[in-house]
This record gives sequence, C-alpha cells and structure tokens, in this order.
Amino acid sequence: AQSVTQPDIHITVSEGASLELRCNYSYGATPYLFWYVQSPGQGLQLLLKYFSGDTLVQGIKGFEAEFKRSQSSFNLRKPSVHWSDAAEYFCAVQSGAGSYQLTFGKGTKLSVIP
Amino acid sequence: DTAVSQTPKYLVTQMGNDKSIKCEQNLGHDTMYWYKQDSKKFLKIMFSYNNKELIINETVPNRFSPKSPDKAHLNLHINSLELGDSAVYFCASSSSTGGSSYNSPLHFGNGTRLTVT
Repeated sequence: AQSVTQPDIHITVSEGASLELRCNYSYGATPYLFWYVQSPGQGLQLLLKYFSGDTLVQGIKGFEAEFKRSQSSFNLRKPSVHWSDAAEYFCAVQSGAGSYQLTFGKGTKLSVIP
Repeated sequence: DTAVSQTPKYLVTQMGNDKSIKCEQNLGHDTMYWYKQDSKKFLKIMFSYNNKELIINETVPNRFSPKSPDKAHLNLHINSLELGDSAVYFCASSSSTGGSSYNSPLHFGNGTRLTVT
C-alpha cells in the first residue's frame, strides 16, 4: 500500500526567506503526487501536482516541487515566503491511473515570522 | 457559487444522537469522497462514490452511512455518536476520466467540525 511521510511537523521561517517542505512517498510504480495547503478553518486547496513528464512542476502562489524518483521524494519549495503562506501543508499520493484513493501525509505546519 | 459546499459548518451534539452532514458539488464531477481529519490534522479517507456507486469503504464503523442521491450530492449520516467521532469531516469531489487516464485532483469543501459532548 502507498504511504506518505512528511518528516517535519512544524517549520518556522522568516518572511522573505526560502522554504523547502519535505515529502517522501512509498509506492511501487510511478505515483501521482500532490501538494495541498490548508489555511485555518478552511478546506484543502491544491497547490500543484505531478503526473508525468518534467520533474519540476510549478504551482500556484509561487510554489514549485521537484519529483526525484531515486529518492522517492517530492519536496515543495518557495524562494521567498510571505506571511500569508502560514498554513498547514499536505503531501499526497494517488496510486496511479484509475485509482480513486488519495493517501495524505500528516502535514507540516508552516509559521512565518514577520 | 461555491464549488464544494458542506453543511453545517459546525455541529455540536451529545453522545448517542444521530446527525447528518450534507455535501453538494457544482463542478460536474462524478466522484465524491468523505475524509476525516483528526485532532492531529491527519486526513484519512472514509468513503468514495463514483456515479452514485460506493467504490471505497475504508474501515469505518457501520454507524457511518454515506448516501448519494445523485452525482452532485454525497451525504454522511452518523448514528449513535461517540466522543471519538469528534473531528473535522471534509467532503471532496473529483472527475474521473476513466480508462488509462488519471483522476483530476480533489476539490475540497471547507469542512464540518463535529464536536460530540
């Protein structure tokens, strides 16, 4: 069965600093990978997704993520964090075409120091 | 014009009661889901319906019963509520293209915070 690990429970960065949130997945074949963001009291919003092709994917709000098969990783990055980026971030894996099941990591809470 | 809407947003009730959460999507998606987010923010799928047919039914107590009257609605009914049912319940939807292609990403509602006292 697929699984997702987000090693960092809570990360604090200063506004304007760069950010990298880690995500490792476990799945036998090529996974479909996602990053979602959850602001307080809100549902989850899709930031970006990887299905195939270019391993560096661009998302909304200036986020990008890189798929590295050799490391089973899909880390999320942003070059300059804004205070409004403070939220909970979830990495998720869908086990291939035709699968309806999305498995989420336990999330990383991002705090931003003004 | 909310894409995935859930009602109510907050639900406070006593143990032993029966309650329902409603979900509607206007995205034209054919697949809908219920996820449970616990106090540690962990999200776990409970159910999934595709074209009103149950396709995912995780290990969930049978006190939880989803009902999908049509493709745009997936309601969650909970009988004999217990303290451990307190959580945030998220409805979501996606579009399955079928065949060899992938499902579209999930679109989530804003959640229903259930508190059982």
